[in-house]
Amino acid sequence: AQSVTQPDIHITVSEGASLELRCNYSYGATPYLFWYVQSPGQGLQLLLKYFSGDTLVQGIKGFEAEFKRSQSSFNLRKPSVHWSDAAEYFCAVGGNSGGGADGLTFGKGTHLIIQP
Amino acid sequence: AAGVIQSPRHLIKEKRETATLKCYPIPRHDTVYWYQQGPGQDPQFLISFYEKMQSDKGSIPDRFSAQQFSDYHSELNMSSLELGDSALYFCASSSIRTITDTQYFGPGTRLTVL
Repeated sequence: AQSVTQPDIHITVSEGASLELRCNYSYGATPYLFWYVQSPGQGLQLLLKYFSGDTLVQGIKGFEAEFKRSQSSFNLRKPSVHWSDAAEYFCAVGGNSGGGADGLTFGKGTHLIIQP
Repeated sequence: AAGVIQSPRHLIKEKRETATLKCYPIPRHDTVYWYQQGPGQDPQFLISFYEKMQSDKGSIPDRFSAQQFSDYHSELNMSSLELGDSALYFCASSSIRTITDTQYFGPGTRLTVL
């Protein structure tokens, strides 16, 4: 069964500092990997995705993530955070079963707090 | 760009009542997914549909059912509501014809069961 682990429940970062959110996955085949962001009471916005090719993927809002197969990781990074980045971040692994329409499995999320 | 539309946005029900949530996918998307997110929890996959057929099934209770219609919108029907059903319910849509089948989420319906 597929699973996602986000080891950090909360992370506090000063505005302007760099950020790295960790994500480890377990999946039987080549995974599709995603990072979503959720503001309080809001929906999930896709930041970026990986399905093949270049292991460093660029997303919206200045975020990037690197897929490392040997470490089963897909960590999210941003060189300089802004106060508006405060939110809940979810890593997710998607189906690649060939049948399509597979549900995503999410991690428990990392709550990002930005200090002024 | 058009996004996923969910209605209603908020719903309050009593225990043992029924509820119907609606989802209108992004135009030209053919696949819909339903997720349940309890307070402080991660989203849990319930069920998905492609071309009006059930495609994948997650942890959907037997009291819940869903379907996708010819215009690709979907409805999640919930019966005999319990207090534990209080949650944010998300619909997502995708186009299965794209290589990654990326899911785009709606704003959610917040269901409160009293």
